[in-house]
Amino acid sequence: AQSVTQLDSHVSVSEGTPVLLRCNYSSSYSPSLFWYVQHPNKGLQLLLKYTSAATLVKGINGFEAEFKKSETSFHLTKPSAHMSDAAEYFCVVSDQRGFQKLVFGTGTRLLVSP
Amino acid sequence: DARVTQTPRHKVTEMGQEVTMRCQPILGHNTVFWYRQTMMQGLELLAYFRNRAPLDDSGMPKDRFSAEMPDATLATLKIQPSEPRDSAVYFCASGQGQGATDTQYFGPGTRLTVL
Repeated sequence: AQSVTQLDSHVSVSEGTPVLLRCNYSSSYSPSLFWYVQHPNKGLQLLLKYTSAATLVKGINGFEAEFKKSETSFHLTKPSAHMSDAAEYFCVVSDQRGFQKLVFGTGTRLLVSP
Repeated sequence: DARVTQTPRHKVTEMGQEVTMRCQPILGHNTVFWYRQTMMQGLELLAYFRNRAPLDDSGMPKDRFSAEMPDATLATLKIQPSEPRDSAVYFCASGQGQGATDTQYFGPGTRLTVL
């Protein structure tokens, strides 16, 4: 069975500084990996996804993530945080065998201070 | 700008009452998912439809929950009778059915409070 572990429940950064949100995955098969963002009282929005093409994936709003098979990691980064990035971020894994059952991590709340 | 819509956005009801939540998937999408989000359990998949047929509802309490797709533009999730532990945000998502790499588009959710 596949799973993801988000290593930090909260991350605090200052505006303009880099963002790093950590995620490790476990999967018996070649995984598809996603990062979703949820702003307060909103639904989830896809930031980016890895589907076994390029290991460095670029997403919306300046975010990117690197798939590292040797480390079973898929960390999300952004060079410079904006106040509008404050939200909950979910790392998600999907089994590539067919039926897209998404397994969500517990989420990391990103706090951005002025 | 196509998006998934859900109604109602908020629902407060008393224990024992029936609750019906509705979802309109993005036109042309053939997969629909129902999720529940709570502080304790996080996001859990309740049910999954492809081409209106239920393919997986193993995450759903069978005795009180039911999910249907009367037509391609409407998915419903019913709880009867509702209980306080059902209080959560319920999300609907739709996709194009491209398999494990498909992007799921989420609606804004229905916040349910059962007193």
